[in-house]
Amino acid sequence: DTGVSQNPRHKITKRGQNVTFRCDPISEHNRLYWYRQTLGQGPEFLTYFQNEAQLEKSRLLSDRFSAERPKGSFSTLEIQRTEQGDSAMYLCAIMGLYTEAFFGQGTRLTVV
Amino acid sequence: SQQGEEDPQALSIQEGENATMNCSYKTSINNLQWYRQNSGRGLVHLILIRSNEREKHSGRLRVTLDTSKKSSSLLITASRAADTASYFCATAPGAAGNKLTFGGGTRVLVKP
Repeated sequence: DTGVSQNPRHKITKRGQNVTFRCDPISEHNRLYWYRQTLGQGPEFLTYFQNEAQLEKSRLLSDRFSAERPKGSFSTLEIQRTEQGDSAMYLCAIMGLYTEAFFGQGTRLTVV
Repeated sequence: SQQGEEDPQALSIQEGENATMNCSYKTSINNLQWYRQNSGRGLVHLILIRSNEREKHSGRLRVTLDTSKKSSSLLITASRAADTASYFCATAPGAAGNKLTFGGGTRVLVKP
């Protein structure tokens, strides 16, 4: 148990559909991060929140991607009009300032 | 983009042998961290070494950091079949932002 729960664990969707993933940190934590990991690669940063404020977004986060963290607790990541290139593992993590990160188990997205 | 390069990309050893993997990075850092990932799962934090530290131990793990060469190594001693996983280094920047930047990983297979 890493203290971060992600749902769903797996999602298969047809190209063009919208999908939403959820991340629930078990305990309160200021900083929440989203990463994307493709097969055989390391995770790549997408975006991060401090409380409810989205403070940084990667250039990887196209206009089809949106993330929210209402009330500074759970977070959602939505992908609109999915493309096959969006197929990846989407990881959520919580981390303090200059400390280790605790990752969820990830949501594996397959776009067919 | 990924900051780190990991070497080797893959490593196959017998149980009981030591496994060594290296990580190089490009920019100044506050700390460097190593993570383990079992197939299809989230990342688990192993060890964190700060920029003013040169060596750190945790159980069968030994990490070194050479900031002049911008490189780090992870040594796993007396490996076990359960150590089979992918290992990633990640750097936390010296400047504000605090997002982790990961290398491409080393896939380790420990044969019983």
